[in-house]
Amino acid sequence: IRMTQSPSSFSASTGDRVTISCRASQGISSYLAWYQQTPGKAPKLLIHAASTLQSGVPSRFSGSGSGTDFTLTISCLQSEDFATYYCQQYYSYPRTFGQGTKVEIK
Amino acid sequence: EVHLVESGGDLVQPGRSLRLSCAASGFSFGDYAMHWVRQAPGKGLEWVSGISWKSGSVDYADSVKGRFIISRDDAKNSLELQMHSLTPDDSALYYCAKDRGRYSTSSGFDCWGLGTLVTVSS
Repeated sequence: IRMTQSPSSFSASTGDRVTISCRASQGISSYLAWYQQTPGKAPKLLIHAASTLQSGVPSRFSGSGSGTDFTLTISCLQSEDFATYYCQQYYSYPRTFGQGTKVEIK
Repeated sequence: EVHLVESGGDLVQPGRSLRLSCAASGFSFGDYAMHWVRQAPGKGLEWVSGISWKSGSVDYADSVKGRFIISRDDAKNSLELQMHSLTPDDSALYYCAKDRGRYSTSSGFDCWGLGTLVTVSS
């Protein structure tokens, strides 16, 4: 299953509402996770089951979608949110990640 | 606290083998599927291999199938990745990751190690 994220990168300002899209090449129900990775760090799970917030993750993060189209939204961008975000399907093996979306400071 | 520590990364020549290990603590290791994910320098995440709880099933990315072998030792809370016929394309930081889903349930990866670096070069 191929996962395609858009955009690949973009610039935003603190306080902005941002949206990242992820599309699966075939239906994956809600078997989708979102991760955040900052430079030099391991990825961090933000959302699983497409819309369930992982414990400890701020509520400004939200996920939606099912089937083939998914969205990660950050309602009010904070300085610590400038990072690269990845979607991943766990509907079937091999598990696959999107290519990543880098959120940069404007 | 859940803790994963990878080891075994090294500089190796093309065609050689390498064994990576992951030591787990802070959770019931045997109850969870475990995975290896790699990241080449400046590139994205690539899932490499996964093993279910009780070693019931193993899976591999096409890029490593037939060359890599994943295994686990639940008595020692450890995960291993044997890598053979290495090529420069296998150069990456290799992460050990815990599946959030317990027993046969699949989910996202909720705990990651810091990674161990594999460099394949002559």
